[in-house]
Amino acid sequence: SAVISQKPSRDICQRGTSLTIQCQVDSQVTMMFWYRQQPGQSLTLIATANQGSEATYESGFVIDKFPISRPNLTFSTLTVSNMSPEDSSIYLCSVAGTGGFYEQYFGPGTRLTVT
Amino acid sequence: QKEVEQNSGPLSVPEGAIASLNCTYSDRGSQSFFWYRQYSGKSPELIMSIYSNGDKEDGRFTAQLNKASQYVSLLIRDSQPSDSATYLCAADGGGTSYGKLTFGQGTILTVHP
Repeated sequence: SAVISQKPSRDICQRGTSLTIQCQVDSQVTMMFWYRQQPGQSLTLIATANQGSEATYESGFVIDKFPISRPNLTFSTLTVSNMSPEDSSIYLCSVAGTGGFYEQYFGPGTRLTVT
Repeated sequence: QKEVEQNSGPLSVPEGAIASLNCTYSDRGSQSFFWYRQYSGKSPELIMSIYSNGDKEDGRFTAQLNKASQYVSLLIRDSQPSDSATYLCAADGGGTSYGKLTFGQGTILTVHP
């Protein structure tokens, strides 16, 4: 499977500020996704990062709050904008394998704390 | 609203026993199902995927799928303390939602020596 890295691994941010999280893959992948895992909770899909077009957001997530870029097939960024303490979560990117059934593999995650 | 429900935990089994983890899903359009293991402080790790009705075995792990009952399970044979983790069941959206995973709430498994 692909090797996925994320930066930063963790950060503590002030409310009202923004943080951009980077996801880098060591091979070209078609599908990349961003998930959120709130404390003690399971994973929730934020959006699908589409190369060359706007991201596709899931219900409850909007572009103004979580702008996403996907400039090529190996890289994506997620920005958490105008942060509040409720945004404190682990943010994970994932990539879908090249097999026909889209097995997904996750990056190590970014642990965000908003104070 | 697509839902994935996992059997309530936490689940505690003795070393060497079989751990049984269960999951039901609401979307009949889902075609692919996955089990992830998540250690505390780590990201989810894919351990099993299943797409067809029946059983799929990989080492000590067996995944079972019954699409008519909308039921997925994971059996872990000869459980080891290193299997202690949270296990997440996920269903693929299917159709135009292909690749979009819906996760269950997770089951915490503890294997005690």
